[in-house]
Amino acid sequence: AQKVTQAQTEISVVEKEDVTLDCVYETRDTTYYLFWYKQPPSGELVFLIRRNSFDEQNEISGRYSWNFQKSTSSFNFTITASQVVDSAVYFCALSDPTNQAGTALIFGKGTTLSVSS
Amino acid sequence: GAVVSQHPSWVICKSGTSVKIECRSLDFQATTMFWYRQFPKQSLMLMATSNEGSKATYEQGVEKDKFLINHASLTLSTLTVTSAHPEDSSFYICSARDFGPPVGYTFGSGTRLTVV
Repeated sequence: AQKVTQAQTEISVVEKEDVTLDCVYETRDTTYYLFWYKQPPSGELVFLIRRNSFDEQNEISGRYSWNFQKSTSSFNFTITASQVVDSAVYFCALSDPTNQAGTALIFGKGTTLSVSS
Repeated sequence: GAVVSQHPSWVICKSGTSVKIECRSLDFQATTMFWYRQFPKQSLMLMATSNEGSKATYEQGVEKDKFLINHASLTLSTLTVTSAHPEDSSFYICSARDFGPPVGYTFGSGTRLTVV
């Protein structure tokens, strides 16, 4: 069965600190997608990144970077020079795109990030 | 990009009444939609998968007679919480599978249901 583990329930940092959110996944599929979403207090999910299982290149987008390692089944997310606006709940999620019936995303339990000024 | 419109954003209802939540895909055809429930400080838990023109598939532990899902068209899926009780108070969010490219999932903005 597919599973996503976010071991860090809550993280508190001070502005300008770097922070890494961990994500470990389990799947028997060779083809799959991994996602990260941000959920601010308003509740709406904000898409951050999608990565397919065949692309292990790390990605950087501004202050955000992602480290995908299939060998350890991990897809970690780093925020550099954190800001108060980064405070939110972050979810890692997994899907199987080969299922044409449309497999739902499986979410981790989320990590609540609090950035103080 | 793909947009899913979810209404209402929030609703307060009396115990015993029914509430309908709508999700519309605005610029693409959503053959499959997913309904999630999220309790405070918890993750999104999949309730059911709805496919256009057929019966929804419910996850284990979700009462299908209580949470009625209708996906009558390629752009509209509805979730009706029947005979709502305070324990049904939660954040409900829908998602549509967008087959892309690239493959993705588009989420509605969510509905915060409070049953009093």
